[in-house]
Amino acid sequence: QVQLQESGPGLVKPSETLSLTCTVSGGSISSYYWTWIRQPPGKGLEWIGYIYYSGSTNYNPSLKSRVTISLDTSKTHFSLELSSVTAADTAVYYCARCIAVAGNHPYWYFDFWGRGTLVTVSS
Amino acid sequence: SSELTQDPAVSVALGQTVRITCQGDSLRIYYATWYQQKPGQAPVLVIYGKNNRPSGIPDRFSGSTSGNTASLTITGAQAEDEAEYYCQSRDSSDNHPYVFGTGTKVTVL
Repeated sequence: QVQLQESGPGLVKPSETLSLTCTVSGGSISSYYWTWIRQPPGKGLEWIGYIYYSGSTNYNPSLKSRVTISLDTSKTHFSLELSSVTAADTAVYYCARCIAVAGNHPYWYFDFWGRGTLVTVSS
Repeated sequence: SSELTQDPAVSVALGQTVRITCQGDSLRIYYATWYQQKPGQAPVLVIYGKNNRPSGIPDRFSGSTSGNTASLTITGAQAEDEAEYYCQSRDSSDNHPYVFGTGTKVTVL
């Protein structure tokens, strides 16, 4: 069974960089899209971006200028960096595995999720 | 902003059937995926593709699509089905690969 676990500081100061790591266990990183998703308190889910096992990335256009997702060379974990944070970046941050399915009606789904970690932006 | 629209809340009597809908232009091309989220927990995948359930998801959950609307139906709702439900698909403009719906809170009475 694949398991994902987020780790990182729970408190970040405004204008600084939020850094989180997602450790993957119980399965290979190969052939999947490894994703970060966040959820502000009391609000809905927002996709942040993904890194494919090959290293290619794709980011939410609204966050693209501030986001970097990287994959550890040992391919046991991937990381999120979000720069110049403000209070609006306060959220529970989830890492998840994404599967892409091609066909006449393509679809994508997040089958395994971490438990999430709350990051608060405050001085 | 989300391009997948859901009703904010629905209620269903215990044992009855409830349908949750998700509307968006991208659903004419891409199947929706559905997640269940209970307070303080991570979302859980319940339906993906045309109508597929992961292992462990009861068969009272089913999915369908018609035109620009995807639906999640719970047939014989149970108390443990009370949760927030989110649809997810891809942005039709292709600028925003993955987008989530606004969420529907299901209350089981």
